[in-house]
Amino acid sequence: DTEVTQTPKHLVMGMTNKKSLKCEQHMGHRAMYWYKQKAKKPPELMFVYSYEKLSINESVPSRFSPECPNSSLLNLHLHALQPEDSALYLCASSQEGTGISYNSPLHFGNGTRLTVT
Amino acid sequence: QKEVEQDPGPLSVPEGAIVSLNCTYSNSAFQYFMWYRQYSRKGPELLMYTYSSGNKEDGRFTAQVDKSSKYISLFIRDSQPSDSATYLCAMSAVAGGTSYGKLTFGQGTILTVHP
Repeated sequence: DTEVTQTPKHLVMGMTNKKSLKCEQHMGHRAMYWYKQKAKKPPELMFVYSYEKLSINESVPSRFSPECPNSSLLNLHLHALQPEDSALYLCASSQEGTGISYNSPLHFGNGTRLTVT
Repeated sequence: QKEVEQDPGPLSVPEGAIVSLNCTYSNSAFQYFMWYRQYSRKGPELLMYTYSSGNKEDGRFTAQVDKSSKYISLFIRDSQPSDSATYLCAMSAVAGGTSYGKLTFGQGTILTVHP
């Protein structure tokens, strides 16, 4: 089992709903990431939090709103999504706040499979 | 041209075969090289992680990096049906500055090991 825990595992939501995805890690990692993965495609970076501060936003639409309440938790708030936003949403973490380095590879959770109807 | 090229396969081999998976890349700033295994409906699982050029071995898995050729490989010895998955190569430039260790992935190779 992965040490990055994501809930829920599955989520179905309508286009007018508001929902949140949650990610938790207790490895003391100081960088956390949200990735989006469509079927048969590699993961695409959405956001990076470094030392609990948003450091990268890959031009993600504002209907996705990330939040990092503390060093162990990462949330992704969803509002007014479109059917094309249906995907596997992956959370990841790395030990060092500056990202990947010699002792700091990226570890992924098992994702939340989101379906927007 | 993509920054990272990976043959998507699919690749089908008999149990016990040696599997070779490869990626080429164009960005000479890449310093960190990873291989992930992803089972259906699961997240990517880190298999191997190497820094700069050289080889690294872990059980049945060997990762090779040749920076002069911008080419990385993953070898799986004595392949098992449980190795059937999608294998993703991933790379990152030096941490710090504005990169924050952003990963660039290959397209993934679908591997099936049949009994």
